[in-house]
Amino acid sequence: ETGVTQSPTHLIKTRGQQVTLRCSSQSGHNTVSWYQQALGQGPQFIFQYYREEENGRGNFPPRFSGLQFPNYSSELNVNALELDDSALYLCASSLQGLPEQFFGPGTRLTVL
Amino acid sequence: GESVGLHLPTLSVQEGDNSIINCAYSNSASDYFIWYKQESGKGPQFIIDIRSNMDKRQGQRVTVLLNKTVKHLSLQIAATQPGDSAVYFCAENGSGGSNYKLTFGKGTLLTVNP
Repeated sequence: ETGVTQSPTHLIKTRGQQVTLRCSSQSGHNTVSWYQQALGQGPQFIFQYYREEENGRGNFPPRFSGLQFPNYSSELNVNALELDDSALYLCASSLQGLPEQFFGPGTRLTVL
Repeated sequence: GESVGLHLPTLSVQEGDNSIINCAYSNSASDYFIWYKQESGKGPQFIIDIRSNMDKRQGQRVTVLLNKTVKHLSLQIAATQPGDSAVYFCAENGSGGSNYKLTFGKGTLLTVNP
């Protein structure tokens, strides 16, 4: 069984740029959730994808967007990066209808 | 609104002692709770979960207790080992149509001294 993987591991961008983060879900899982974790804080829910559609969203602006592909992998896109977007971005996979979520190692994004 | 918080931001114990990490939640409609362990530079690792129709659940060296009356959750780690040093988060998965997201607290840093 393959766990959740994310790429890249680290990323440095400048303010105003755009970034794409990638996630491959655990085998057998069909739902992907994205979270933002600022330093010293707990993860904050961004959104969830199921059947290639957004299935719930947290309190994040529209410049945070995502995609899910037929193989259940997912992308998180952030436009017009701001300094406060610097954080660890976590992807979690699950089976729709079940609450257990399993996290990947995260992508550390630094915005300068 | 929903919130999940922790009573103590840090906990330091001696190797071999038992550890207890506490968590309070405010959403009385919460029906599912999870404890995660997060080591430095890694993603949260699932430890144990409990549903609201239970008040206790045991795993390997870990026990979760749920007190719905006071909306309190605790994680007990038996015979704590240095490898248990990490930040521990409780998370709540709400009910009533919002069961798609986890709401996390800030976390408790557990340090195990050899």
